[in-house]
Amino acid sequence: DAKTTQPNSMESNEEEPVHLPCNHSTISGTDYIHWYRQLPSQGPEYVIHGLTSNVNNRMASLAIAEDRKSSTLILHRATLRDAAVYYCILSAAYSGAGSYQLTFGKGTKLSVIP
Amino acid sequence: DGGITQSPKYLFRKEGQNVTLSCEQNLNHDAMYWYRQDPGQGLRLIYYSQIVNDFQKGDIAEGYSVSREKKESFPLTVTSAQKNPTAFYLCASTGTSGRALNTGELFFGEGSRLTVL
Repeated sequence: DAKTTQPNSMESNEEEPVHLPCNHSTISGTDYIHWYRQLPSQGPEYVIHGLTSNVNNRMASLAIAEDRKSSTLILHRATLRDAAVYYCILSAAYSGAGSYQLTFGKGTKLSVIP
Repeated sequence: DGGITQSPKYLFRKEGQNVTLSCEQNLNHDAMYWYRQDPGQGLRLIYYSQIVNDFQKGDIAEGYSVSREKKESFPLTVTSAQKNPTAFYLCASTGTSGRALNTGELFFGEGSRLTVL
């Protein structure tokens, strides 16, 4: 699997936007970019995913560089509930025909300051 | 509501004992997974199953065993052969319909924390 690089930790003030970077210089043309987050003592939860175009959903936005070698997860207004470890993961397209193994690295630990 | 239920949430074991962690899902998902997480680390894949009565080893299967007799259930047994079993164990599943079909989104349980005394 192609590898991703994320900062170990980041801080943000409450109610300010947060930009979480991810580098994936060896990404292949068919790899999707996924973001999950994990709250303390819980299982990870899906945040967003994309292939080439920027994506928005109710939780966050995903900005993908034109060369696809990096991406940024954007939380528009950080809240205390957004304090978590954020994982950036690459994977091939899911065929729906079998298992789908995602490799979770150490991620970025986001702290939100009240 | 549909989801994945893991039990127990906390478990203590003496050295040399086998323990079984339960994972049940009512999402009608075909594929199920077990991950292990150590403090400050990412998740490592132990075993996965694509279909009933079939499963494959992940990256760290030694000392673990699984079964998949029903679609809804994928229990993990931590055997005495696992030398360092203290960890947070996470079960997940993937579906073949709806949003899961397009994204391969993994749905996780709340986890089971195993401590060896």
